[in-house]
Amino acid sequence: QQPVQSPQAVILREGEDAVINCSSSKALYSVHWYRQKHGEAPVFLMILLKGGEQKGHDKISASFNEKKQQSSLYLTASQLSYSGTYFCGTEIGPPQFYFGTGTSLTVIP
Amino acid sequence: DGGITQSPKYLFRKEGQNVTLSCEQNLNHDAMYWYRQDPGQGLRLIYYSQIVNDFQKGDIAEGYSVSREKKESFPLTVTSAQKNPTAFYLCASSTNPRTANTEAFFGQGTRLTVV
Repeated sequence: QQPVQSPQAVILREGEDAVINCSSSKALYSVHWYRQKHGEAPVFLMILLKGGEQKGHDKISASFNEKKQQSSLYLTASQLSYSGTYFCGTEIGPPQFYFGTGTSLTVIP
Repeated sequence: DGGITQSPKYLFRKEGQNVTLSCEQNLNHDAMYWYRQDPGQGLRLIYYSQIVNDFQKGDIAEGYSVSREKKESFPLTVTSAQKNPTAFYLCASSTNPRTANTEAFFGQGTRLTVV
């Protein structure tokens, strides 16, 4: 049930872009994205519902392809504050939230 | 302030003992969840509850038990049957996941160590 994320880890220099992918074996109703700083609780970034919508949050955006059961998170012009572990959360039925394996993102000066 | 509170933050348990982790929310959320976080494995669903007096097993429920006697509370008991209980446990809540903009709110977590 747990969605798979790729890559597992990525290191960026400030200003570079990154893409994080989330793939599920189950049909999805929605996809959520969260960021977790070390030792802290995950923090909500955005939710994407069925319909292939794309959303943006400052320089972070995401897409959801419900046919492929995949979502991607796009981080552009990365900042040091973007460092953390990113999780996709997938809803396959009410109210089952399954979170992905996580992607560790490190932004260096 | 509305939020979700987990206690304690750190917990040490001797092998063979049961231990209960507390999770309380004052957000008036219907759904509550327990996740276990291990390095490299993301968040794995232990149990979830959609309404009071009802809960369902997630992917890794063996060795755990829960109750949902009140809307605000969803305690997790780690029993002696759980073979490897040392982990970081996160509790979360949400309104109705099928409505728009229904994010999950997380507590600060409980780090359980078996000694």
